[in-house]
Amino acid sequence: AQSVTQPDIHITVSEGASLELRCNYSYGATPYLFWYVQSPGQGLQLLLKYFSGDTLVQGIKGFEAEFKRSQSSFNLRKPSVHWSDAAEYFCAVGAGGGYQKVTFGTGTKLQVIP
Amino acid sequence: DADVTQTPRNRITKTGKRIMLECSQTKGHDRMYWYRQDPGLGLRLIYYSFDVKDINKGEISDGYSVSRQAQAKFSLSLESAIPNQTALYFCATSDSQWGGELFFGEGSRLTVL
Repeated sequence: AQSVTQPDIHITVSEGASLELRCNYSYGATPYLFWYVQSPGQGLQLLLKYFSGDTLVQGIKGFEAEFKRSQSSFNLRKPSVHWSDAAEYFCAVGAGGGYQKVTFGTGTKLQVIP
Repeated sequence: DADVTQTPRNRITKTGKRIMLECSQTKGHDRMYWYRQDPGLGLRLIYYSFDVKDINKGEISDGYSVSRQAQAKFSLSLESAIPNQTALYFCATSDSQWGGELFFGEGSRLTVL
């Protein structure tokens, strides 16, 4: 069975600083990987996803993520954080078979300070 | 209007009461899901449906039931609510392509006293 680990429960960064959110997954084959963002009082929105090909994936709002098979990681990055990026971020892994099961990590809450 | 609409958005109820959370979507997707979100636990899948005649249990289905009334409607019921079912519930949809994006509603916050 697949699993996702987000080791950082809460991260605080200054506005304009760079950001990296960590995600490690466990799955026997090449997974489908996702990052979702949840703004306060809202549902989740897809930031980006990796299926195959280029291991550096670009998403919305200036985010990118890099798939590293050797490290079983899919870390999310942004070069310069804006106050509006304050939210909770979820990494997710999708597995194969007849049903595409998507397993979510426990989330990382991002606080942005002026 | 939102593509995925959940009602009610907030509900407080008492132990033992029957509760229904409703979800409707205008995206035309075949697949619909109910997730539960608890602090520190992320999202966990309760039930999912690939079409009107297809209902499947997720990882935490005990104490819940669902009904797919139409392609666009998927309801979650708690037959006899208990306090540990206090959580934020999300409905989501996706198309039938493998690896398709999940589209979420804004959530239904349920408190069971």
